[in-house]
Amino acid sequence: DVVMTQSPLSLPVTLGQPASISCRSSQSLVYTDGNTYLNWFQQRPGQSPRRLLYEVSNRDSGVPDRFSGSGSGTDFTLKISRVEAEDVGVYYCMQGTHWPLNTFGQGTKLEIK
Amino acid sequence: EVQLVQSGAEVKKPGESLKISCKGSGYSFTSDWIGWVRQMPGKGLEWMGMIYPDDSDARYSPSFQGQVTISADKSISTAYLQWSSLKTSDTAMYYCARHGGSGVPQLDYWGQGTLVTVSS
Repeated sequence: DVVMTQSPLSLPVTLGQPASISCRSSQSLVYTDGNTYLNWFQQRPGQSPRRLLYEVSNRDSGVPDRFSGSGSGTDFTLKISRVEAEDVGVYYCMQGTHWPLNTFGQGTKLEIK
Repeated sequence: EVQLVQSGAEVKKPGESLKISCKGSGYSFTSDWIGWVRQMPGKGLEWMGMIYPDDSDARYSPSFQGQVTISADKSISTAYLQWSSLKTSDTAMYYCARHGGSGVPQLDYWGQGTLVTVSS
């Protein structure tokens, strides 16, 4: 089974400062079609998860451009260029390459310092 | 607009059965897989399984195989998650979400969640 490991698990950030979350998979996430099915989700307090990024770096509609994704193979990163108050919540990476099993990371809780 | 609307909160006793629902609209319900995700109180997200509504092909995470049943009724664009005998450890929020997009379908749109509480 593919294991997704995020770090840090807790991320206190000052408003306006950047933030970065790492996600590592136990196996390569490159699919046979050449694409990498690594997604990032945001879950604000009391809300359903919302997808931010798909295939490593593609932003979903309505996602601010301060969110960006990078990485390849087994190592991936979510970056927020300048944290805003509305970014508070838990961030999850999720692999969808090893179909049909989808696997989430443990989650990273972002809070304002 | 893609929407997934889930059934309301449930309070059940251990040993009881339960079926919760997820109704899709705004897209071709039979063309995309619907997945289910569990979130236990204060914990992270766990993918449980998914179903292709057009032919009811269901796939399960090994962790949930045999513990729940995923089904669908394409005539009313609704997917279901059911338990035959609930345990207190089934207390959680359950989300349905569409696996959409090109290539390997990924979770994109989510329902609002159904809170299931199992307590004696």
